[in-house]
Amino acid sequence: DAGVIQSPRHEVTEMGQEVTLRCKPISGHNSLFWYRQTMMRGLELLIYFNNNVPIDDSGMPEDRFSAKMPNASFSTLKIQPSEPRDSAVYFCASSIGRGGGPYNEQFFGPGTRLTVL
Amino acid sequence: QKEVEQNSGPLSVPEGAIASLNCTYSDRVSQSFFWYRQYSGKSPELIMSIYSNGDKEDGRFTAQLNKASQYVSLLIRDSQPSDSATYLCAVILNYGGSQGNLIFGKGTKLSVKP
Repeated sequence: DAGVIQSPRHEVTEMGQEVTLRCKPISGHNSLFWYRQTMMRGLELLIYFNNNVPIDDSGMPEDRFSAKMPNASFSTLKIQPSEPRDSAVYFCASSIGRGGGPYNEQFFGPGTRLTVL
Repeated sequence: QKEVEQNSGPLSVPEGAIASLNCTYSDRVSQSFFWYRQYSGKSPELIMSIYSNGDKEDGRFTAQLNKASQYVSLLIRDSQPSDSATYLCAVILNYGGSQGNLIFGKGTKLSVKP
């Protein structure tokens, strides 16, 4: 079975440019999570969707960040305009459900390494 | 107090030894606990989950949970160089704005020396 798919794997862009990261969750999973990982702050949840609906976006750092999930098999995370401090690895994860128990076991995609110059 | 705390390490053990990784959490009513392994430059990989007090064994890995002490640990028996990675503890919180979310510790870097 295919795992979580993310694209691109690497992105280098210049400050001020728009960046779009893409994610395809595991088929049958109805929860999708976007995380950001840096050395300083570790792994942080940005936003999560349940059944394509954004449930908690309190981790989105500022209005420059936006995320959508138009259908059950696709989500995007957009940064506009990008800044050097956005440089990080962005992971997408999916799970069958949310809350406690085995249904919240989250499986991560390979990540997108973003560098903003 | 941070929600999920781990010693950053590095923890260095010789090949064949038992590696012990520890994690404490702040939410007294958390019910779900996970250990992820992350190799350098790779994504976190789920290796263990535990939901009730006591020990749970899976191959060379044993997760131990003590809810009264708010403590979860991971033991790796017969450590191999291929176990060298960062191990992330994750807990589902049941309070505040992060309720229901998976909160990660910053990870413990393990190095197994041949």
